[in-house]
Amino acid sequence: AQTVTQSQPEMSVQEAETVTLSCTYDTSESDYYLFWYKQPPSRQMILVIRQEAYKQQNATENRFSVNFQKAAKSFSLKISDSQLGDAAMYFCAYKNYGGATNKLIFGTGTLLAVQP
Amino acid sequence: GAVVSQHPSWVICKSGTSVKIECRSLDFQATTMFWYRQFPKQSLMLMATSNEGSKATYEQGVEKDKFLINHASLTLSTLTVTSAHPEDSSFYICSARVGDSGNTIYFGEGSWLTVV
Repeated sequence: AQTVTQSQPEMSVQEAETVTLSCTYDTSESDYYLFWYKQPPSRQMILVIRQEAYKQQNATENRFSVNFQKAAKSFSLKISDSQLGDAAMYFCAYKNYGGATNKLIFGTGTLLAVQP
Repeated sequence: GAVVSQHPSWVICKSGTSVKIECRSLDFQATTMFWYRQFPKQSLMLMATSNEGSKATYEQGVEKDKFLINHASLTLSTLTVTSAHPEDSSFYICSARVGDSGNTIYFGEGSWLTVV
C-alpha cells in the first residue's frame, strides 16, 4: 500500500524568506500524481501544486515550486518570498495514475507559521 | 476554476438524531466524490468513495449504516450521519474529481458537525 510521510509537524519562516517542506512517499507504481494542498484556518483545502510522476521537470506555480526526486521518492515544496497569507497547514498527497475512483493518500501535514 | 460546495457549513444536532450534509459540484459533473473526516490537528481520513448511481465504497472501519452516502446525480452527493452521538462531532469534507483523467481533485469548504 502507498504511504505518504511528512516528517516536519511544524515549520516557521520569516516573511519574504524561503522555506522548504519535506515529503516522502512509498509506492511500487511507476505512474502516479503528487500534490501539495494548503489548509488555512478556514479549513478549505486549496490545491497548491501538482506533479505528474512521468514528468521530469519540476512543477512551478508562481512562488511555489517542487523538487521531485522520483528515485528517492521525495517531493518537497519550496515557498519563495513567504507571505503572511502562506501560514497554513500543508498536506502532501499521492494518487495512483488513472482510475476515477483512485483516492488521495495524505501525509500528516506540516503547520507553517510565517513571522512578520 | 472548478467549485465544490458543501452545505451546511455548520450544524448542531441533538444526540440520537440524523443530520445530512450535501456536496455539490457547481460547474462540472462528478461521477465520483469522496468524503473525508478530519479531527483537530490531524490529517484527512477518507471515509468513503461515492459513486454516481451505485453504492458507495467504504473504507475499512467506517460504519456503513451510520454514515449513509447517496450519490443520486452527477452533481450531488450526500452524507447522512444517522443516530448521531457526540463522538461523531467532527469536520467533514467532500471532494470531487475534475476531468476524465481524475488527476485534479477539488474540495468543498467542509462542514462542522457538533452533536450535543
